[in-house]
Amino acid sequence: QSALTQPASVSGSPGQSITISCAGTSSDLGAYGYVSWYQQSPGKAPKLMIFEVRNRPSGVSSRFSGSKSGNTASLTISGLQAEDEADYYCSAFTTSRTYVFGSGTKVTVL
Amino acid sequence: EVQLLESGGGLVQPGESLRLSCVASGFTFSNSAMSWVRQAPGKGLEWVSAVSTRGTNTFYQDSVRGRFTVSRDDSKNTLYLQMDSLSAEDTAVYYCAKALKLVLDSFDIWGQGTMLTVSS
Repeated sequence: QSALTQPASVSGSPGQSITISCAGTSSDLGAYGYVSWYQQSPGKAPKLMIFEVRNRPSGVSSRFSGSKSGNTASLTISGLQAEDEADYYCSAFTTSRTYVFGSGTKVTVL
Repeated sequence: EVQLLESGGGLVQPGESLRLSCVASGFTFSNSAMSWVRQAPGKGLEWVSAVSTRGTNTFYQDSVRGRFTVSRDDSKNTLYLQMDSLSAEDTAVYYCAKALKLVLDSFDIWGQGTMLTVSS
């Protein structure tokens, strides 16, 4: 199972909105509604930010939103803040009954 | 406090075995499917294995199937990963993670990780 494809880096200025894309196939992203996004700061464990494509766990800011169209998912961060600087990973359940992460995107706040 | 605490990492030689443990607290472990996720130094996240509630079903990534065995002891609130025939490619921080709902939908609780280094 190959990793889902994400851009290596995305940057934006404080207050701006950025979108991270995640490309997969009909066997993973396109198969089910189980697409998640995780935030990972250096030296820390990942944190769940979005589950089931667009749902936010309790405590996650509404500035984070998710969507999916076909075999591509997206994470949008609105009103970018310095604290949003981190690595972000998409993920999906696959038709092979495995789980696959994206290649990861480093978000930089300019 | 909801918490997962991994242990058992260390330095081993190629071909050796090691068992990782993950102790859960603050939630009903027996009602939760669990996974192991690893991250090689400077690399991205890689899902390794999962186990359903009661240990009924287990799941593995192709690269570890046949070498790694996931199990759980609900009486001890503990998840295990037995790793055999280790190679340098297995060097990584290993995280245990709790499934949010289904076995492999998403992971809402993560441990701090334990480092495994495979080197001669």
